[in-house]
Amino acid sequence: GQQVMQIPQYQHVQEGEDFTTYCNSSTTLSNIQWYKQRPGGHPVFLIQLVKSGEVKKQKRLTFQFGEAKKNSSLHITATQTTDVGTYFCASSGNTGFQKLVFGTGTRLLVSP
Amino acid sequence: NAGVTQTPKFQVLKTGQSMTLQCAQDMNHEYMSWYRQDPGMGLRLIHYSVGAGITDQGEVPNGYNVSRSTTEDFPLRLLSAAPSQTSVYFCASSYGQGAGYGYTFGSGTRLTVV
Repeated sequence: GQQVMQIPQYQHVQEGEDFTTYCNSSTTLSNIQWYKQRPGGHPVFLIQLVKSGEVKKQKRLTFQFGEAKKNSSLHITATQTTDVGTYFCASSGNTGFQKLVFGTGTRLLVSP
Repeated sequence: NAGVTQTPKFQVLKTGQSMTLQCAQDMNHEYMSWYRQDPGMGLRLIHYSVGAGITDQGEVPNGYNVSRSTTEDFPLRLLSAAPSQTSVYFCASSYGQGAGYGYTFGSGTRLTVV
């Protein structure tokens, strides 16, 4: 079945440091979505990428979709304590948007 | 708008009992899904629906049933609860293909099976 692997599983940074999480698939993906889940909360949609090589920015967050559409990354510049949480990538593979399968997530801890 | 509403928020069941987790959305979303999240782990897709009357299995469907008689509601039924079904259950909905809005999640139901 469709699998999306995410690394690292966990990262602890000092406030102000940068952070990157990577999402990899062995098959071509039609889309990638990114979500953030705060501790004790529910996942919240951040962004969707659909085009090869696409790059999107949201303030300090930069999202990329690989040229081969098999990988994606989320980079946070100058982390803040409000960035704490688990970041998930998700994809419906190459079958449209209905069957959304999540990666294993990267848990980010930011120390002040 | 209320968004995605899940009830109950907490539930304790005895092994073998059955129950229905409710999910309702008021955004006229076509796509709805159920996920479970075990401690420290990611979300696993249980069942999903692309519209009223249409459902399909996800990654971990065994022990669960769903139906979608209306656009708004997507209940999840546990047929005979087992301790392995102790988890947090999330319902989510989306406009659908190409919309770019992603899925909106409910606040979850925390289920303990003893």
